[in-house]
Amino acid sequence: EPEVTQTPSHQVTQMGQEVILRCVPISNHLYFYWYRQILGQKVEFLVSFYNNEISEKSEIFDDQFSVERPDGSNFTLKIRSTKLEDSAMYFCASTANRAEAFFGQGTRLTVV
Amino acid sequence: GESVGLHLPTLSVQEGDNSIINCAYSNSASDYFIWYKQESGKGPQFIIDIRSNMDKRQGQRVTVLLNKTVKHLSLQIAATQPGDSAVYFCAEISSGSARQLTFGSGTQLTVLP
Repeated sequence: EPEVTQTPSHQVTQMGQEVILRCVPISNHLYFYWYRQILGQKVEFLVSFYNNEISEKSEIFDDQFSVERPDGSNFTLKIRSTKLEDSAMYFCASTANRAEAFFGQGTRLTVV
Repeated sequence: GESVGLHLPTLSVQEGDNSIINCAYSNSASDYFIWYKQESGKGPQFIIDIRSNMDKRQGQRVTVLLNKTVKHLSLQIAATQPGDSAVYFCAEISSGSARQLTFGSGTQLTVLP
């Protein structure tokens, strides 16, 4: 069964450092998303990506965040200068039909 | 308003009993709703969906009910099993072009032996 894969599973970084979270969406999917989940809280939308550009983004997705699809298979989320409050699980998701989204297992980001 | 913070609503049921998990959604313009299951340390997993032109949809051991009048969604799990223990989130699809999911705050379901 096809699945969304994310690497790394856990990333520890110092405050102020840049991090890149990587995702490989399901191959025939067209819509890609990043979501965030702070420990014990609900999943929050960050950004959607379609046709090589951002479709929509939330208030959380400020200038410190960027996304890229560099090679037609990977989909990355970059946080330019991490803050303590960026510590969370980050989930990548993809969908073919803008309905049922398939989620990866997530990357746990810990900013120290 | 939506609940935030570290304490999820919880539901404990005996193995074999039926479970009902409730969710209130906020956007009357949402036209598609999904229930996701999230086990510890994993990503959300699709369970069942329903469109706004329907009141009820059944899957294998699960049923989703939609009441648009009061903006309420419920997930019924028949003959709950230990493997059903997880956090359950309802999500609504916004009317935006990218159709991103807006998640509810989640319910922790614990199945007792």
